[in-house]
Amino acid sequence: AQKITQTQPGMFVQEKEAVTLDCTYDTSDPSYGLFWYKQPSSGEMIFLIYQGSYDQQNATEGRYSLNFQKARKSANLVISASQLGDSAMYFCAMREGNFGNEKLTFGTGTRLTIIP
Amino acid sequence: GAGVSQSPRYKVAKRGQDVALRCDPISGHVSLFWYQQALGQGPEFLTYFQNEAQLDKSGLPSDRFFAERPEGSVSTLKIQRTQQEDSAVYLCASSLASEGGVYGYTFGSGTRLTVV
Repeated sequence: AQKITQTQPGMFVQEKEAVTLDCTYDTSDPSYGLFWYKQPSSGEMIFLIYQGSYDQQNATEGRYSLNFQKARKSANLVISASQLGDSAMYFCAMREGNFGNEKLTFGTGTRLTIIP
Repeated sequence: GAGVSQSPRYKVAKRGQDVALRCDPISGHVSLFWYQQALGQGPEFLTYFQNEAQLDKSGLPSDRFFAERPEGSVSTLKIQRTQQEDSAVYLCASSLASEGGVYGYTFGSGTRLTVV
């Protein structure tokens, strides 16, 4: 089974609208962390937001928020008031276990295009 | 430097050639990672260093792949006898030990390797 599933290969959103990018995960480890990264055409991966499995509240970072539904094993990224500069690939990733296992498992990504 | 620096930015190799890809992490970052990103896919973990110790090399696809970080700073990923399936972007990331697990890892822009 895929550890990280992103079912939306591509999305087109009107500028200034909110957008939700889906991510579901699969792990039997009670301790894990979930990440979202943005990859513009220049290639670098830019860290956006992190959610720990024991965090009680959904993570927020500026216009980014993570809709964490633990029972459903989903960690959707919500971008509010989208901007043209948000056009990029977005990857969901997971780190399993406690700090010590540092490697990330990534999904296949969603290409987001913001339409002016 | 301010970010993770990778060189070369692009590399074209003839099949069977050896290549060496360099990563300069952020100064003081203890942890260093290598990921391989095939076209249209998410990054896949290759190997992980903490200082000069290679703690996890479970993602290296074959014994043609070798990574080192002899002084705990700069790292080199070497691929011997390159094959066409090695064509990918190779991403390097670094973090301050376990803080990477919460605050994310800083990625470089990658080296795009094309084997012809």
